[in-house]
Amino acid sequence: GAGVSQSPRYKVAKRGQDVALRCDPISGHVSLFWYQQALGQGPEFLTYFQNEAQLDKSGLPSDRFFAERPEGSVSTLKIQRTQQEDSAVYLCASSPRVSGSQGEQFFGPGTRLTVL
Amino acid sequence: AQRVTQPEKLLSVFKGAPVELKCNYSYSGSPELFWYVQYSRQRLQLLLRHISRESIKGFTADLNKGETSFHLKKPFAQEEDSAMYYCALKGKLIFGQGTTLQVKP
Repeated sequence: GAGVSQSPRYKVAKRGQDVALRCDPISGHVSLFWYQQALGQGPEFLTYFQNEAQLDKSGLPSDRFFAERPEGSVSTLKIQRTQQEDSAVYLCASSPRVSGSQGEQFFGPGTRLTVL
Repeated sequence: AQRVTQPEKLLSVFKGAPVELKCNYSYSGSPELFWYVQYSRQRLQLLLRHISRESIKGFTADLNKGETSFHLKKPFAQEEDSAMYYCALKGKLIFGQGTTLQVKP
């Protein structure tokens, strides 16, 4: 079994462009999380899915950020009209358990987004 | 407010020396705490969780509710322990800023 995969691994965007970041979780994992990690900081929670339902999007920094997981498997994080402050590593993690339980989260390698 | 604080950005020790990476938390309920580690060019992975009370790679961490701490300890550091360590809280994971552990030969 492959782990969590993310694509692209690196993305350079011009300010104002829209970007889409993809996450393929471990097959069968119920929970999927997105985190944003700025340089020199710990990951910060963005949003959480339980299957296809987005149960928590409290960490999304603005309405330019949008995430979906339509079939309860692959997820896409979309950022519209990118700004320089969006430059960060975006991490995806999945878990076989629902959020709030004691399950381990399995992380992908991240997508490094640079906005020029 | 829920918060995790790791006061040291960098901890540098010699091989064989004891290591303690500090973590303090703020949480109103019953905390669930984890230590995650990221080795160079690898992805973030779970090191240990407080509920398991286990020792992984010689590391242990004890939850101290009185001091709201979950410090990570190892009696004798090895060079391969050099990595970034993050303390994290609860289900959707609230991370500290991380501590880089550098073990010198």
